[in-house]
Amino acid sequence: QQQVKQSPQSLIVQKGGISIINCAYENTAFDYFPWYQQFPGKGPALLIAIRPDVSEKKEGRFTISFNKSAKQFSLHIMDSQPGDSATYFCAARWQTGANNLFFGTGTRLTVIP
Amino acid sequence: NAGVMQNPRHLVRRRGQEARLRCSPMKGHSHVYWYRQLPEEGLKFMVYLQKENIIDESGMPKERFSAEFPKEGPSILRIQQVVRGDSAAYFCASSKQGQDTQYFGPGTRLTVL
Repeated sequence: QQQVKQSPQSLIVQKGGISIINCAYENTAFDYFPWYQQFPGKGPALLIAIRPDVSEKKEGRFTISFNKSAKQFSLHIMDSQPGDSATYFCAARWQTGANNLFFGTGTRLTVIP
Repeated sequence: NAGVMQNPRHLVRRRGQEARLRCSPMKGHSHVYWYRQLPEEGLKFMVYLQKENIIDESGMPKERFSAEFPKEGPSILRIQQVVRGDSAAYFCASSKQGQDTQYFGPGTRLTVL
């Protein structure tokens, strides 16, 4: 059972364009939603994170939009660059109990010059 | 400030052998998590440990897998009698008490022949 559903599986964007990756969840007990970036052969690196009491968070070119009623959140990468080409994972964590993260299945982003 | 360290980075074992994966958390971090990533998939939680305690092992297979985080030294993920299906990338993450962010290591890529 996939706790966090992520789409699309792959995405190709022109340099300078906007990349949008979407995630959806069912469990309303989730209270923390990070996005991770992973390059081939490397570990995931935290990009940006949000809590459900905020509808949007922006850090540089990266923005998370959060829709609590729809149980959806998305990552927007503005002015996408070839260096952004990587796999992106959304994740979610329960508010009580263990701190483990539930990850989406990943989106492979390719930014073409 | 060194990040999360994992070793070995690559490990090859024959079926039936034992695999030992080590993880040194970031300085000051007392929480360690292990995740497994199969090719083209997201990360799946395995176990969450604090010093000398297993907090949540709900993601660990019931047999052959064990984990520890001793008072001194790194956290160890141990896989006994490995099978081909154990081939994957194993990532360790660490966090500070009371903080949300999990920092990931570079992973150990296990190949079972």
